[in-house]
Amino acid sequence: SQQGEEDPQALSIQEGENATMNCSYKTSINNLQWYRQNSGRGLVHLILIRSNEREKHSGRLRVTLDTSKKSSSLLITASRAADTASYFCAFQNTGGFKTIFGAGTRLFVKA
Amino acid sequence: NAGVTQTPKFRVLKTGQSMTLLCAQDMNHEYMYWYRQDPGMGLRLIHYSVGEGTTAKGEVPDGYNVSRLKKQNFLLGLESAAPSQTSVYFCASIRAAATDTQYFGPGTRLTVL
Repeated sequence: SQQGEEDPQALSIQEGENATMNCSYKTSINNLQWYRQNSGRGLVHLILIRSNEREKHSGRLRVTLDTSKKSSSLLITASRAADTASYFCAFQNTGGFKTIFGAGTRLFVKA
Repeated sequence: NAGVTQTPKFRVLKTGQSMTLLCAQDMNHEYMYWYRQDPGMGLRLIHYSVGEGTTAKGEVPDGYNVSRLKKQNFLLGLESAAPSQTSVYFCASIRAAATDTQYFGPGTRLTVL
């Protein structure tokens, strides 16, 4: 399968704690993206990191990319109950028009 | 801008019936995609289009057909629905490959009995 692999599959934390999700892939990529999906809704783009970048920040989000290990991580700091959602990594293979999605991490933040 | 819209939002079909899902975007995007999402899984690409009049197969194209007669619309057809096609279908669009960010519609929940 071309799909990315994410771990953990599910994560439950207390409000205020940090949440870390990991994504691994198998091919060469142009970029890697992270999306968020609230239950029953479409996906919302969070952040994109290009293959020549190692780290990127957006508000409480921090994404790292290690192309030698073919892996990425998403860190959400000071989590809130409203962060409860599923988070998906997605990547574009080099030379392709397609975006490949991972199976997602379900995050539950307890108030 | 309405962004990406999908019609209908919900549908129940009987095995063997046909239907068409409509995706529309008002952002003048070149690329459009149809995905399906099954419980506990990520999105799998069904078909995609890199411009008006073009279509291409994704990961799971069997049982589906698509058309992109107008740049703003991407239609997904099920000619003879099967229970295995019960899923949530998402449409997405991208302005151009260099932009990379996909904008998603709200989804269509399809049940095939």
